[in-house]
Amino acid sequence: GENVEQHPSTLSVQEGDSAVIKCTYSDSASNYFPWYKQELGKGPQLIIDIRSNVGEKKDQRIAVTLNKTAKHFSLHITETQPEDSAVYFCAASFNGAGSYQLTFGKGTKLSVIP
Amino acid sequence: GAGVSQSPRYKVAKRGQDVALRCDPISGHVSLFWYQQALGQGPEFLTYFQNEAQLDKSGLPSDRFFAERPEGSVSTLKIQRTQQEDSAVYLCASRRTSGYEQYFGPGTRLTVT
Repeated sequence: GENVEQHPSTLSVQEGDSAVIKCTYSDSASNYFPWYKQELGKGPQLIIDIRSNVGEKKDQRIAVTLNKTAKHFSLHITETQPEDSAVYFCAASFNGAGSYQLTFGKGTKLSVIP
Repeated sequence: GAGVSQSPRYKVAKRGQDVALRCDPISGHVSLFWYQQALGQGPEFLTYFQNEAQLDKSGLPSDRFFAERPEGSVSTLKIQRTQQEDSAVYLCASRRTSGYEQYFGPGTRLTVT
């Protein structure tokens, strides 16, 4: 089955700096890669996603890049703000015939220091 | 519009008790997923429904876990004879037919004492 590795497990940045979180996946059939933000006591919130036919996607201060050959993808947050502090999870799935289940990384706790 | 809702938000059960956790997906979402999230970990897949059909239950950890979605909307995850290792947050997610995105509810935190 799919295995997703996520690094780093914790990340502290100064407000206004950029943050980068990296993930690798094992199953070359995976074709959908979402990123979720989870605040304490809440469910995961989808913040951005990318499909395997695209190399990069951007939404305001957030961007995701995908390298299918190397089987890794990254989340980039620019101009970080204190409200970006949360745990971020990457995930991978194969959306085709099957259940579309997501396999998650172990998470990155991001702290933005004012 | 309304998102995925789950109830109860918190549940404390004595070891050996049965529990039932409810999920109300986003209206019109055909697909429904259950995940288990242990403390400090990412969610792990339990089971998947398309309408009322349970198409994948490969993630259910034991036969004490049972899920149903009889009318293709609300789903219930039942855990029989709860054990301490069942303590976790149980998350429900739904997805519309044509999309890839899964939207999660707030979860039910189960504590087995």
